[in-house]
Amino acid sequence: RKEVEQDPGPFNVPEGATVAFNCTYSNSASQSFFWYRQDCRKEPKLLMSVYSSGNEDGRFTAQLNRASQYISLLIRDSKLSDSATYLCVVNRRSGGYQKVTFGTGTKLQVIP
Amino acid sequence: EAGVVQSPRYKIIEKKQPVAFWCNPISGHNTLYWYLQNLGQGPELLIRYENEEAVDDSQLPKDRFSAERLKGVDSTLKIQPAELGDSAVYLCASSLDLGSSVSGELFFGEGSRLTVL
Repeated sequence: RKEVEQDPGPFNVPEGATVAFNCTYSNSASQSFFWYRQDCRKEPKLLMSVYSSGNEDGRFTAQLNRASQYISLLIRDSKLSDSATYLCVVNRRSGGYQKVTFGTGTKLQVIP
Repeated sequence: EAGVVQSPRYKIIEKKQPVAFWCNPISGHNTLYWYLQNLGQGPELLIRYENEEAVDDSQLPKDRFSAERLKGVDSTLKIQPAELGDSAVYLCASSLDLGSSVSGELFFGEGSRLTVL
């Protein structure tokens, strides 16, 4: 089983729709969580961190459920520019250092 | 401020040839990562450096891959000899980790796209 799992999609949604992605992680010792965004043929960039209490940044909301070991990303009022791959990232301590693990990514295509 | 710089951006070689990639991280970042990314997959860690020390190279295929980070700044990743399956994007990232329980944000370079024929 992979340490971080995501539905690869693609999720094809119309403009203005609300879409949600989930990501599950297998190691209960995981400490911190992030969503990165990767545009086609570009490098990944941090979208937002995910906090236990949940956090919101404009149209984006991230949630963490430690009991069920998953994180989610909700995008409201989807824009064409939201089309990208969304990578779930999980961080845990391993051998005295932080181990950063990426999921395979979920592809989102927003359709006009 | 300059971001993470990688070169070359593209490289096409024949199998069994050697290839090397170079990475210059963001100034002051103590942690440097090399990732491999195949099409439709997430980045997979090859090696992680804390300053000049390789602290996680468990996923680096050491029979053909090698890396170094002299003086804890620039880094090179080498493949010798390259195989067809090595065709991928090689991403370098850096972060500033202060020994806390949370890793700093990773900043990626644009990547080096390798094609092995």
